Amino acid sequence: GQQVMQIPQYQHVQEGEDFTTYCNSSTTLSNIQWYKQRPGGHPVFLIQLVKSGEVKKQKRLTFQFGEAKKNSSLHITATQTTDVGTYFCAGKNNAGNMLTFGGGTRLMVKP
Amino acid sequence: SAVISQKPSRDICQRGTSLTIQCQVDSQVTMMFWYRQQPGQSLTLIATANQGSEATYESGFVIDKFPISRPNLTFSTLTVSNMSPEDSSIYLCSGATGVGFQQYFGPGTRLTVT
Repeated sequence: GQQVMQIPQYQHVQEGEDFTTYCNSSTTLSNIQWYKQRPGGHPVFLIQLVKSGEVKKQKRLTFQFGEAKKNSSLHITATQTTDVGTYFCAGKNNAGNMLTFGGGTRLMVKP
Repeated sequence: SAVISQKPSRDICQRGTSLTIQCQVDSQVTMMFWYRQQPGQSLTLIATANQGSEATYESGFVIDKFPISRPNLTFSTLTVSNMSPEDSSIYLCSGATGVGFQQYFGPGTRLTVT
């Protein structure tokens, strides 16, 4: 079945440093979605990427979808303490309506 | 975005008993899902809740253990049956809208089985 791998598993950064998490799927995706889960909270939808090579920005967050539609990345510029949480990618393939979630990257920011 | 509510928010149950979790979504939602999340882990899909018919279960999950109902478009229940300590987890309901099926999650039910 489809597998979605995410690295790194954990990342500690100093406030103001940049952060990147990478997501790789074993199969070609129809879209990839990113979610953020704050400690003690539930996953919250951030964005969806659909097109090959697509790049989307949300303030300090930049999301990319690979040309082959099998990998994606999330980059945060100049992290803030409010960025703390676990970032999950989730891939959807062309068959079915379910998402396969990556293992998540837990981001910790030192003030 | 869709609004998803879930109850109870947490419960402590004894081994061998059952707990039913309720999920209510707003009318934008077309699909509903149930997930399990162990602390510090990713989300594992239990099943897709189908309106008026049997849920579609993922590998490793069976109807006898996790019966699911979805009597109408906006409401679903998940029952965790004959619980054991291994069932201690967070159970999340989600609703999907739109062509890309981006999902909106309820606040979760934290279950502890003693």
